Amino acid sequence: AQTVTQSQPEMSVQEAETVTLSCTYDTSESDYYLFWYKQPPSRQMILVIRQEAYKQQNATENRFSVNFQKAAKSFSLKISDSQLGDAAMYFCAYRSPPSNTGKLIFGQGTTLQVKP
Amino acid sequence: EAGVAQSPRYKIIEKRQSVAFWCNPISGHATLYWYQQILGQGPKLLIQFQNNGVVDDSQLPKDRFSAERLKGVDSTLKIQPAKLEDSAVYLCASSFRRVPLAGGEKINEQFFGPGTRLTVL
Repeated sequence: AQTVTQSQPEMSVQEAETVTLSCTYDTSESDYYLFWYKQPPSRQMILVIRQEAYKQQNATENRFSVNFQKAAKSFSLKISDSQLGDAAMYFCAYRSPPSNTGKLIFGQGTTLQVKP
Repeated sequence: EAGVAQSPRYKIIEKRQSVAFWCNPISGHATLYWYQQILGQGPKLLIQFQNNGVVDDSQLPKDRFSAERLKGVDSTLKIQPAKLEDSAVYLCASSFRRVPLAGGEKINEQFFGPGTRLTVL
C-alpha cells in the first residue's frame, strides 16, 4: 500500500523569505501523481501544485515549485517570497494511475506560520 | 461555476445519535468522494462513487456508516449510531468531467467542498 509521510508538523517563515516543506512517499508503482494541497482555517482544500511522475521537469506555479526526486521518493514544496496569506496547513498527497478518478492518499500535514 | 457544496457546516450531537451530511458536487462531475479528516491528520477516503455506483468503500466502517448517491448527483453520508471517535471534519470532493472545459479545469483535479465539522459529545 502507498504511504505518504510529512515529517515536519510545523514550520515558520518570515514574510518575503523562502521556505521548503518536505514530503516522502512509498510506492511500488512506476507511474502516479503527486500533489500539494493548502488548507486554511476555513477548511477548504485548495490545490497548490501537481506533478506527474513520468515528467522529469519539476512543476512550478508562480511562487510555488517542487523538487521531485523519483528515485528517492521525495517531493518537497518550495514557497518563495512568502506572504501572510500562505499561512495554512499543507498536505502532500499521492494518487495512483491509470484512472483519472483515483483516491488521494494524504500525509499528516505541515502547519506553516508566516511571520510579518 | 459553482463549487462543491456541503451542509451543514457544523454539527454537534450526543454519542449514539444519528447524523447525516449532504454533498452537491460540481455539475458534470462523475466521481464523488467522501473523506474523513480527524483533527491534526490528513484526510482519509471513506467512500468513492463513480456516477451512482460505489468504486471504493474499503475504509468505510459499514456497521455505522452508510452513503448513497442518488441519480449520480447529490450524495448523503450517514452515521448511525455515532461514537466519540467520529468527531472529525467530513470533506466531499468531486472530479472527472468527461468532456474537459476548453482551457478550464485539469481533468485529474479533485475539487473539495468546505467540509462539515462534526463534534460527538
